Formats: sequence, structure tokens, C-alpha cells
Amino acid sequence: NAGVMQNPRHLVRRRGQEARLRCSPMKGHSHVYWYRQLPEEGLKFMVYLQKENIIDESGMPKERFSAEFPKEGPSILRIQQVVRGDSAAYFCASSPLARGNSNQPQHFGDGTRLSIL
Amino acid sequence: QKEVEQDPGPLSVPEGAIVSLNCTYSNSAFQYFMWYRQYSRKGPELLMYTYSSGNKEDGRFTAQVDKSSKYISLFIRDSQPSDSATYLCAMNGNTGKLIFGQGTTLQVKP
Repeated sequence: NAGVMQNPRHLVRRRGQEARLRCSPMKGHSHVYWYRQLPEEGLKFMVYLQKENIIDESGMPKERFSAEFPKEGPSILRIQQVVRGDSAAYFCASSPLARGNSNQPQHFGDGTRLSIL
Repeated sequence: QKEVEQDPGPLSVPEGAIVSLNCTYSNSAFQYFMWYRQYSRKGPELLMYTYSSGNKEDGRFTAQVDKSSKYISLFIRDSQPSDSATYLCAMNGNTGKLIFGQGTTLQVKP
């Protein structure tokens, strides 16, 4: 009964490198969400994906950030040319398919802590 | 003005006390309201999930939603040291995007 799995748990990159964060949703969940948590701040929505589709990317910076959720395999959040301000905890959540018009609760992984040197 | 306001605390109470945590919001489109608990270096854990106004009880936890006042609460009865954590309120409409409060840090002293 595995929950949402994120890896790596910790990632250190130098400025200008690329960071790839992976998320495997809970079994049976087809929706994935990415959030960012900066020190002393709450979680901020970044992007919402279903298999092979981006549903809402309104919270994701237009440059350097991208996300995908392929038909097979985990969801990937990719940050190119990282800068110091990208240092944060990145959390992934998943939920099952919505029933009719009802929302479904989101369950979170333990996050990836990204540090930029 | 933030869409969701939550007093960051910290809140310190003795073991056995009743704890009251609150959030206010401004967007009348919000229909789904959640409380998450987050321990240090861990992800948010879903505690309560409610739809529209009313009360919901689960063990020592009670969630209240008052949509007319745009105000939600979480009550913890008989608080325990293991309840020491950061509590996050979250809400959304019919989109997948959750809007979170800043989180309230709670310490329950033995």
C-alpha cells in the first residue's frame, strides 16, 4: 500500500545545472500535482497533470521549468539552468479520477529538497 | 491580500488542552476544504476533507466550515505531544489547484 513516492529525497546542484525530480503517484491515481514550499512559506501550486496531458500550469514559471506525466513511468519536474532562488522543497501529490463533478482529496509525498550551490 | 490567511503561530499548549486552528479566505468559489498535518522534513498528511459548510468529526479532530463568514476551523481535543506539528489549511473549487494557508506551528508540551 505504497503512498506517493518521490525521489531523490535530497538533490544538490550547482548554478546552471539541470534538476530532475521524479514522482510516482499512489496506485490507482491518475492525477498528479506539483507544489513548491519555500522556507517560512506555505505550499504554492505549480502544475496539474493527467497521463500525457498538462491540465493547469498556471503556477509554473514560464522559463526553465517543465513537467510531464508520460503514459508509462513517473511524473518528472524538470528545472533547467538552476539558480539559487530555485532552492526549495518540491512536493508531489496525487488523486484518483474525479467522480462526476466532485473533487478528490490529494495525497502528498515526502518531497525533494533541492539545494543550489 | 492573500487568498487564504492563517496565523503562523507558534501556538504552545499543555497536554490535554483543546486546540483551535483557523483560516479565513476571500474566494467565494472555494467549495472543498482540507486540513493537513506536516511534521518536520515530511510531506503534508491529510487529516480532514470537507465539502461546503458544516461540521465533520474524526476521532479527536473536528473540522468546521462556515462559508457565509469564509472561515474554517480545526479543533483537536485531548491534545498529545505527538500532535506537535505544522497544520496547513487548504481549499479549492472545482479545479485541481489547492490554495494553502501559511501553516500554524503547534507545540503540545507534556
